[in-house]
Amino acid sequence: KQEVTQIPAALSVPEGENLVLNCSFTDSAIYNLQWFRQDPGKGLTSLLLIQSSQREQTSGRLNASLDKSSGRSTLYIAASQPGDSATYLCAVSAGKSTFGDGTTLTVKP
Amino acid sequence: DAGVIQSPRHEVTEMGQEVTLRCKPISGHNSLFWYRQTMMRGLELLIYFNNNVPIDDSGMPEDRFSAKMPNASFSTLKIQPSEPRDSAVYFCASSLTQVMNTEAFFGQGTRLTVV
Repeated sequence: KQEVTQIPAALSVPEGENLVLNCSFTDSAIYNLQWFRQDPGKGLTSLLLIQSSQREQTSGRLNASLDKSSGRSTLYIAASQPGDSATYLCAVSAGKSTFGDGTTLTVKP
Repeated sequence: DAGVIQSPRHEVTEMGQEVTLRCKPISGHNSLFWYRQTMMRGLELLIYFNNNVPIDDSGMPEDRFSAKMPNASFSTLKIQPSEPRDSAVYFCASSLTQVMNTEAFFGQGTRLTVV
């Protein structure tokens, strides 16, 4: 059974810092990995999708990497802003998706 | 496209009542997913459909839960009878195709409270 772990559970940083969120999974037989953002009381917004054959994806200040063999992914956020404050979830998919519990990020002005 | 549309946004019901949650996926998407999110258990996949056919319902917690997708533009998740422990946020998501595992798009969710 696939298990997805996200560390840390919560993170607070001052504005402008670069930061890394971690996601690990137990079964490397995946089709893809997706990073989402969830604001309080809202749905999930897709940030980046990495296919199993890819090593990384970039969108603006976000960069996600995937190391399937070691069962790890990271989400790098450059020059963090207060508007980045949210919960970030990763999901691994092999037919159906398994989500981590998320990292709640607070960026202080 | 307006994205994945769920209704109602909020539902408060008494224990024992039937609850029906509705979802309209993005037009052209062939796969539809129902999730439940709670503080205790996080985000759980309940069931997913591909081309209107249920593929995996192993996440459906009990027989009180049922889901249908009568056509490509509409799905329902029904709980009958509802119980307080069913209180959660229920999300619907759709993607272009399940086989290729393309990007999934989520609705805003239905917050269900069973009292």
